Amino acid sequence: GAVVSQHPSWVICKSGTSVKIECRSLDFQATTMFWYRQFPKQSLMLMATSNEGSKATYEQGVEKDKFLINHASLTLSTLTVTSAHPEDSSFYICSARDRVVVRFGDGTRLSIL
Amino acid sequence: SQQGEEDPQALSIQEGENATMNCSYKTSINNLQWYRQNSGRGLVHLILIRSNEREKHSGRLRVTLDTSKKSSSLLITASRAADTASYFCATGSQTGANNLFFGTGTRLTVIP
Repeated sequence: GAVVSQHPSWVICKSGTSVKIECRSLDFQATTMFWYRQFPKQSLMLMATSNEGSKATYEQGVEKDKFLINHASLTLSTLTVTSAHPEDSSFYICSARDRVVVRFGDGTRLSIL
Repeated sequence: SQQGEEDPQALSIQEGENATMNCSYKTSINNLQWYRQNSGRGLVHLILIRSNEREKHSGRLRVTLDTSKKSSSLLITASRAADTASYFCATGSQTGANNLFFGTGTRLTVIP
């Protein structure tokens, strides 16, 4: 069935490192994917909408130069956290719309030391 | 903001009991979806109810939608320990935007 695969599931790295997270739609094509951030025991906050072949749409307050999004194909979107700092540590989740239902990846836990 | 709110924020019940969670939202919607999230994991889609539907069933799940009150409820019957998770409602906008707006979530604990 339709699945969204997110990789890696866990990243620990030093401050100043750039980290790339991949989101793939399996068995379906997704012209639009979504990137969320979730702090412990809180809800998901939409960061940006990734559009295949065009620029991503960022939510208010999200720095586009900090969180680079590339959606180069109908099955892959990437989020790169550039020059990551401890305050960027969080749980990042991607999703893709499969017709009406939105399906989610398993998330990436990012820890910046 | 279109973000919804779930009530209660936390719920603890004994295995076998029913669990009811409520969701309220602010704007007109096209559909409302319920998701489950186990700790540290992604979200699993449970059920979708469209704005012209009032009730929907899926296994032990029953969802209601009252668009006049802008509210929805999720009932889990005969709960199991494995139902322990956070449950979120998410609304799809009538404006045609593709993204979902999530509520604050209910943390359900089912005690075996």
